[in-house]
Amino acid sequence: AQKITQTQPGMFVQEKEAVTLDCTYDTSENNYYLFWYKQPPSRQMILVIRQEAYKQQNATENRFSVNFQKAAKSFSLKISDSQLGDTAMYFCAFMKHKVSNYQLIWGAGTKLIIKP
Amino acid sequence: EADIYQTPRYLVIGTGKKITLECSQTMGHDKMYWYQQDPGMELHLIHYSYGVNSTEKGDLSSESTVSRIRTEHFPLTLESARPSHTSQYLCASSENRGGEQYFGPGTRLTVT
Repeated sequence: AQKITQTQPGMFVQEKEAVTLDCTYDTSENNYYLFWYKQPPSRQMILVIRQEAYKQQNATENRFSVNFQKAAKSFSLKISDSQLGDTAMYFCAFMKHKVSNYQLIWGAGTKLIIKP
Repeated sequence: EADIYQTPRYLVIGTGKKITLECSQTMGHDKMYWYQQDPGMELHLIHYSYGVNSTEKGDLSSESTVSRIRTEHFPLTLESARPSHTSQYLCASSENRGGEQYFGPGTRLTVT
């Protein structure tokens, strides 16, 4: 069975600094999708970034980028030039490529607090 | 903001009461999901639906039930609420394989 591990329960970062959130996963699948979701305090969960396992190039979305290491089964998120609005719970998630219901497997989350 | 809505946002109710948590989406998505999430913790899938008249239980055992009579509506019902049901319930929907799930704002349920 697939498993997602996020080893950083909480992190504090100074505004404008960069921060990396770690995620490792365990799977025997070759094709799959990986996601980082963000859940701000009292606001809706939203997708930050998505990576398809068959793509070697790391995904980027503005200040957000991933370091995808398929052999190591590692999928870290880097936030550059952090802003106060980045304060949130961040969840790493996994989805098998061949699954009919598009179920996500979730990590336990990392609480990120950006300090002014 | 995604077009997915949940009501009520907050609910405090006594033990033994029947409750229905509402979830609606206007995006025409076939797949819909209910998650249970304790504060600051991971999400656990409790129900999902492929489409109209199709529902399945998720990985986390739950005493709740769901229905999917219309594409846009996916309500969750607890026949007899208990304090152990106190949690946040998140509804989500998705369209394409490998695509994102869109989440509602959640219902924070407290059973006294």
